[in-house]
Amino acid sequence: QKEVEQNSGPLSVPEGAIASLNCTYSDRGSQSFFWYRQYSGKSPELIMFIYSNGDKEDGRFTAQLNKASQYVSLLIRDSQPSDSATYLCAVIYLGSSNTGKLIFGQGTTLQVKP
Amino acid sequence: DTEVTQTPKHLVMGMTNKKSLKCEQHMGHRAMYWYKQKAKKPPELMFVYSYEKLSINESVPSRFSPECPNSSLLNLHLHALQPEDSALYLCASSQTAGSYNEQFFGPGTRLTVL
Repeated sequence: QKEVEQNSGPLSVPEGAIASLNCTYSDRGSQSFFWYRQYSGKSPELIMFIYSNGDKEDGRFTAQLNKASQYVSLLIRDSQPSDSATYLCAVIYLGSSNTGKLIFGQGTTLQVKP
Repeated sequence: DTEVTQTPKHLVMGMTNKKSLKCEQHMGHRAMYWYKQKAKKPPELMFVYSYEKLSINESVPSRFSPECPNSSLLNLHLHALQPEDSALYLCASSQTAGSYNEQFFGPGTRLTVL
């Protein structure tokens, strides 16, 4: 069974702080990793993807990947109240037909307090 | 443009009704997906279409019937649903169905089965 694990939270940080969200995955062969943000009642929005070990930065967001430890993280710098949402970690697992299946973690709820 | 559109936004149906959900993308993507999301849970994959052919069916009950008339359109036909099928139904698309592909989600159809 392919698994993606996240702490459900809530993770509460003050405005302006760094929020750190973590995710582990079970399949060592996985190659593609994604972070989605989902506001209550809305659909998931892709905010970061990372395919190589190391860091990838985009604005206030940094995704970090460590394949040896099977660990993915998302850092949000200068957190704003508008960042309050559920953050979903997702991993693509390739099936026998070489079709990718996107498997989600349970999501971490982030609360940014003014 | 990373837009996936879905209609209708909301749908209420009885257990004996037949209805269809529609999804459209004009990004030239050749993979399209249906997901089901229950409250406070992550999206769960239902079907994957790759180059208009059904590639993955995640053992979904036959009362859900997908159809991909062309590379831009994806339908989900619903018949004899149960109240436990009430959920947010999400469509997504990606360039192809392989490993290194970002999936973009539509806004979803919120389905209520009475």
